[in-house]
Amino acid sequence: TQLLEQSPQFLSIQEGENLTVYCNSSSVFSSLQWYRQEPGEGPVLLVTVVTGGEVKKLKRLTFQFGDARKDSSLHITAAQPGDTGLYLCAGDNTGFQKLVFGTGTRLLVSP
Amino acid sequence: GAVVSQHPSRVICKSGTSVKIECRSLDFQATTMFWYRQFPKQSLMLMATSNEGSKATYEQGVEKDKFLINHASLTLSTLTVTSAHPEDSSFYICSARTKDRFYEQYFGPGTRLTVT
Repeated sequence: TQLLEQSPQFLSIQEGENLTVYCNSSSVFSSLQWYRQEPGEGPVLLVTVVTGGEVKKLKRLTFQFGDARKDSSLHITAAQPGDTGLYLCAGDNTGFQKLVFGTGTRLLVSP
Repeated sequence: GAVVSQHPSRVICKSGTSVKIECRSLDFQATTMFWYRQFPKQSLMLMATSNEGSKATYEQGVEKDKFLINHASLTLSTLTVTSAHPEDSSFYICSARTKDRFYEQYFGPGTRLTVT
């Protein structure tokens, strides 16, 4: 069974702080996605990383795919209350044709 | 682009009845659709994968006869919870994948099912 462990599970910070969320696995993935989900809604795709070592930026969010394509990180600079939500990483192994979701990181950013 | 809708968004039903949830890709053709279940404050749990025109593939531990999935067209998949019981109460989310960007999934807004 492929597993994606996220850390931390829960993070409560003040507006303006920086944070990093980690997504780790012992399995290799052909691609990895990051999603944000708000209560009562479906996950929204933030980014897809495909190449080992790849770094992508989305405004204040920076995503990195590990060189061995087993792990990824999400760094948020100057967090805002609007960043509050459940962050999920998900790995795709085309051999299995389905996404494996991480355990999730719940982020709360207070004003 | 890549919008997925679900209907209904919320449903309350009595124990023993069946409930059908629809998942539609609005602006693209979905070669594959997925159904997930999510418990409060937890991650998504894949229930089944459905390809248009073929039988769904269920994950281990998911009852095929209880959760009926039909993928009638490239834009519509349905999940029917048969003989629902209170323990089936959950947040059900579908997603769809396109043929060209097969490694990305686009999620619907979810359906909150409450069985009384």
